[in-house]
Amino acid sequence: AQSVSQHNHHVILSEAASLELGCNYSYGGTVNLFWYVQYPGQHLQLLLKYFSGDPLVKGIKGFEAEFIKSKFSFNLRKPSVQWSDTAEYFCALYSGAGSYQLTFGKGTKLSVIP
Amino acid sequence: DGGITQSPKYLFRKEGQNVTLSCEQNLNHDAMYWYRQDPGQGLRLIYYSQIVNDFQKGDIAEGYSVSREKKESFPLTVTSAQKNPTAFYLCASSTSPDTQYFGPGTRLTVL
Repeated sequence: AQSVSQHNHHVILSEAASLELGCNYSYGGTVNLFWYVQYPGQHLQLLLKYFSGDPLVKGIKGFEAEFIKSKFSFNLRKPSVQWSDTAEYFCALYSGAGSYQLTFGKGTKLSVIP
Repeated sequence: DGGITQSPKYLFRKEGQNVTLSCEQNLNHDAMYWYRQDPGQGLRLIYYSQIVNDFQKGDIAEGYSVSREKKESFPLTVTSAQKNPTAFYLCASSTSPDTQYFGPGTRLTVL
């Protein structure tokens, strides 16, 4: 069975601080990986995704993530956070079982202090 | 204006009652999904449907039922058998694993 682990439940940062949110997965085969974001009161939306190719992927709003296959990791980064980045972030995995099912991590709540 | 709509936004139910949550999409997506979101638990898959008139159980299907009579609609019924139904329910749709599009959610509270 596949699983996704997000190490931090709640992260608090000051504006302009750098961000790295951890995501590790458990699955022996090829994976597609996603980061979703849920801003307060808004829909869950896709931040970025990795399918193949360059392991460093760039998403919206200055976010990027690096896929490290040897570490089964897909950490999310941003060099300088803003108050508007306050949200909950979810890492997700698709294993290609043919059913389009995503397995989500438990989420990391980010609070950015002005 | 394309997207996914869920209604109602807030729903209150007495214990022992069944309740149906609506999910409609006009994105022409074949696949639709229901997730349950609880604080600190992430999203857990309840049911999914890849095509009209077909659906499969997800990880936490007990106490829930669905139907998929039309491509654009995928209603979820929370039955009285669901022991802890108070939660935030999210509907999604997709045409490929590339991206799942999510609705605004329904917050169900059992009184």
